[in-house]
Amino acid sequence: RKEVEQDPGPFNVPEGATVAFNCTYSNSASQSFFWYRQDCRKEPKLLMSVYSSGNEDGRFTAQLNRASQYISLLIRDSKLSDSATYLCVVILIYNQGGKLIFGQGTELSVKP
Amino acid sequence: EAGVTQFPSHSVIEKGQTVTLRCDPISGHDNLYWYRRVMGKEIKFLLHFVKESKQDESGMPNNRFLAERTGGTYSTLKVQPAELEDSGVYFCASSQARTSGYTFGSGTRLTVV
Repeated sequence: RKEVEQDPGPFNVPEGATVAFNCTYSNSASQSFFWYRQDCRKEPKLLMSVYSSGNEDGRFTAQLNRASQYISLLIRDSKLSDSATYLCVVILIYNQGGKLIFGQGTELSVKP
Repeated sequence: EAGVTQFPSHSVIEKGQTVTLRCDPISGHDNLYWYRRVMGKEIKFLLHFVKESKQDESGMPNNRFLAERTGGTYSTLKVQPAELEDSGVYFCASSQARTSGYTFGSGTRLTVV
């Protein structure tokens, strides 16, 4: 089983649609959670952190359920510019070290 | 603030050759990480430096890979000798704290032919 699993894509949606991405993680010791966005042939860029209380940034809402080890990202009123691969990422901290664990990514394509 | 800088952006080498990738983290970031994405797979952790010390190199594929961070500033990742399966995109990231958001460099796309 992968440490971080995401919905297999791609998601093809029309402009203005609402789209939801789901992610589960296997290690209950995971401490921090993020959604990253990666455009074609570019580096991953932090989209938003994810908290148990839920957090919203404009059209984007992220939610964490620690009990279910589940993370979600909701995009409302999707724009053409939202087309990208969305990466669910957790941080594992141990001793003096730490590392990001990535999901395989879910590709989103927003069409006119 | 300058971001994380990686060099070169692309490298095409023949099997058996040596390649050295460089990463300049954001100034003041003690934590530096190397990650790799091979075709069709998720981005995977290679190793983690805190200043000049290797904290975790459990993700390094084998002893053909050598990472250094002399002086705790920039880091290099050497692949010697390169094999076909080493092809992929190598990302460097840095962060101030282990739990904070990481900033990634634009990556080095390595192709071994």
